[in-house]
Amino acid sequence: DTAVSQTPKYLVTQMGNDKSIKCEQNLGHDTMYWYKQDSKKFLKIMFSYNNKELIINETVPNRFSPKSPDKAHLNLHINSLELGDSAVYFCASSPWPGQATNEKLFFGSGTQLSVL
Amino acid sequence: KQEVTQIPAALSVPEGENLVLNCSFTDSAIYNLQWFRQDPGKGLTSLLLIQSSQREQTSGRLNASLDKSSGRSTLYIAASQPGDSATYLCAVRSEKLVFGKGTKLTVNP
Repeated sequence: DTAVSQTPKYLVTQMGNDKSIKCEQNLGHDTMYWYKQDSKKFLKIMFSYNNKELIINETVPNRFSPKSPDKAHLNLHINSLELGDSAVYFCASSPWPGQATNEKLFFGSGTQLSVL
Repeated sequence: KQEVTQIPAALSVPEGENLVLNCSFTDSAIYNLQWFRQDPGKGLTSLLLIQSSQREQTSGRLNASLDKSSGRSTLYIAASQPGDSATYLCAVRSEKLVFGKGTKLTVNP
């Protein structure tokens, strides 16, 4: 009965490879997010999708491409991985962001990406 | 640009103590403020959400306050337990959600 689930939990890969991280939520939320937590533990938003449409795209290299096949899924594809991409990536979801005062985020357990 | 600061970065207390975690933010034009808990190797769990019109929220032994005009929030934990050991993050929602770096709390038995 996991609310926000992301796979894999750990991902170890070589520089230059292409990899994907999958995320699914069963909460019926309209909005999903990808966050990156770097080695200094700073958590920063990367993307936000509302009902399959991109609404936030921070200054993220275009090697990162989110894909939302439906509002319950938001996958993250990363091309040509670099050493600096090593981090923990968190997926999250929330109700309709228009009601920002009630916006409560639910996070997945994270994917630890290590680029060698 | 919104910036969120949490002090202290780490805190170690004996079991049973009451404690306060601090969060400050630079732009008072916010929709809400959330406190999260992060356990090692796990995701974040939302503890409390305070809307901009509210002054505080309570859940069990946790009480969060918000002083929007001064850009401050506190998370009060009563009668701390070893199970409270985790990193506590404050996040402020203005144009987007901006997180602090967190306070790592250790409650010693």
